[in-house]
Amino acid sequence: EAEVAQSPRYKITEKSQAVAFWCDPISGHATLYWYRQILGQGPELLVQFQDESVVDDSQLPKDRFSAERLKGVDSTLKIQPAELGDSAMYLCASSLEVTSGNEQFFGPGTRLTVL
Amino acid sequence: GEDVEQSLFLSVREGDSSVINCTYTDSSSTYLYWYKQEPGAGLQLLTYIFSNMDMKQDQRLTVLLNKKDKHLSLRIADTQTGDSAIYFCAVGGATNKLIFGTGTLLAVQP
Repeated sequence: EAEVAQSPRYKITEKSQAVAFWCDPISGHATLYWYRQILGQGPELLVQFQDESVVDDSQLPKDRFSAERLKGVDSTLKIQPAELGDSAMYLCASSLEVTSGNEQFFGPGTRLTVL
Repeated sequence: GEDVEQSLFLSVREGDSSVINCTYTDSSSTYLYWYKQEPGAGLQLLTYIFSNMDMKQDQRLTVLLNKKDKHLSLRIADTQTGDSAIYFCAVGGATNKLIFGTGTLLAVQP
């Protein structure tokens, strides 16, 4: 069964360092999402791509976070510099299309700890 | 902005029914979802309901939607220990962006 792949699964870094997370969506899925889930809370959308274009990045802290999906397939989310408050689970999801009702399939997530 | 709220914790005995509740603020939401998250794992879609429906049943799961009160519930019949997890309510709009609730931890006692 096709799955969303993410790496690494766990990342520990010191504050002010740079970190990067990678996501490979299900083949053929045009829409890719990055969510941040702080412990004890629900996921919050950071950025949404349709192919290589950004659909929504209104909640992405653009002073330190960046995301790209250059060829419209896999995607990288970067944080530079990392802050203590960035400790969270970063979840990637994909769906066939951007329209309402398209099921989002989630990857296992990358758990980031900033020391 | 959109707000989705859930109670934090629910404890039931194995074999009983569980009812998890959710309230939301955005009446333009077109699809409403229930996701399950087990410890250290990603989210698994359990079921969803379209906004023009009142009820949807899928095996042990029943979703009720009261659009007037903006209230969504998930009933799990014959709850099993394997149902222990965090359950998230989510509402979706035109661009498929999901707004999640804070999650309800379901603890099933044997």
